[in-house]
Amino acid sequence: EAGVTQSPTHLIKTRGQQATLRCSPISGHTSVYWYQQALGLGLQFLLWYDEGEERNRGNFPPRFSGRQFPNYSSELNVNALELEDSALYLCASSLGVLAVYNEQFFGPGTRLTVL
Amino acid sequence: DAKTTQPTSMDCAEGRAANLPCNHSTISGNEYVYWYRQIHSQGPQYIIHGLKNNETNEMASLIITEDRKSSTLILPHATLRDTAVYYCIVRPPVPGTALIFGKGTTLSVSS
Repeated sequence: EAGVTQSPTHLIKTRGQQATLRCSPISGHTSVYWYQQALGLGLQFLLWYDEGEERNRGNFPPRFSGRQFPNYSSELNVNALELEDSALYLCASSLGVLAVYNEQFFGPGTRLTVL
Repeated sequence: DAKTTQPTSMDCAEGRAANLPCNHSTISGNEYVYWYRQIHSQGPQYIIHGLKNNETNEMASLIITEDRKSSTLILPHATLRDTAVYYCIVRPPVPGTALIFGKGTTLSVSS
C-alpha cells in the first residue's frame, strides 16, 4: 500500500514569492493535516482538512492557506514568503471523522528554502 | 505546549532493548498515549498507541502504568536503524486533533 506522498521534495523561493506544496494521502484516508518543522522549533500544526473542508488551523497567519480536492489530495499555499518560512513541511493523512481509529501517517516532507 | 516529559537523549547498544520513558502526569481519562519517531529529515513514523492496557506490535511494546501517569516504549532488539528522535504524545480520540510534538528523546544506537 502506497504511503503519503508529497511534492516537490525541495523548493527554493525568494522572499515575497508564493509557494505551493502538494500532498496525496493514503488511499481511503479523507483527512489531511499539514505541519511545519522549522529548525529548532519542532513540529507545529498548520491545517486540517477533511472531506474538502478546512476543519481546524493552528496559530499561523492567513498567508498560510490550502485546499483539499475531491480526490482528497491537498495543496498548501504560502503567500508573501518570509525568510522564517524556511522549514520542512509535512503532510499527514488519517481516516475521517467517523473512524474509530484515526492515527496520522506522515509523508516524507517538502523542504522549503526562502532566500 | 506538550503534555509530556521525556529525557533529552539516551544511548543503547545494538541488539539490546531500548526502554524510552515518558511522563504524562496530567493525562485525562480519555486521552491516548501515542509514540512516533523521526529519523533525520524524514517524516515522523507512527509506532504504537495505547489507552491503559499494554500494547505490542511488530515494532515495539508500550507499557502504561496503572495510574496512567507514565509509560515506557520498548524496542526489544535495537538496531542502528532505530537511531531517531522518539516522541511521546497524548491526545484525545477526537478526530482531527492535532498532534502536539514536544522535543522528544534522541535515541542513539551504537554497535
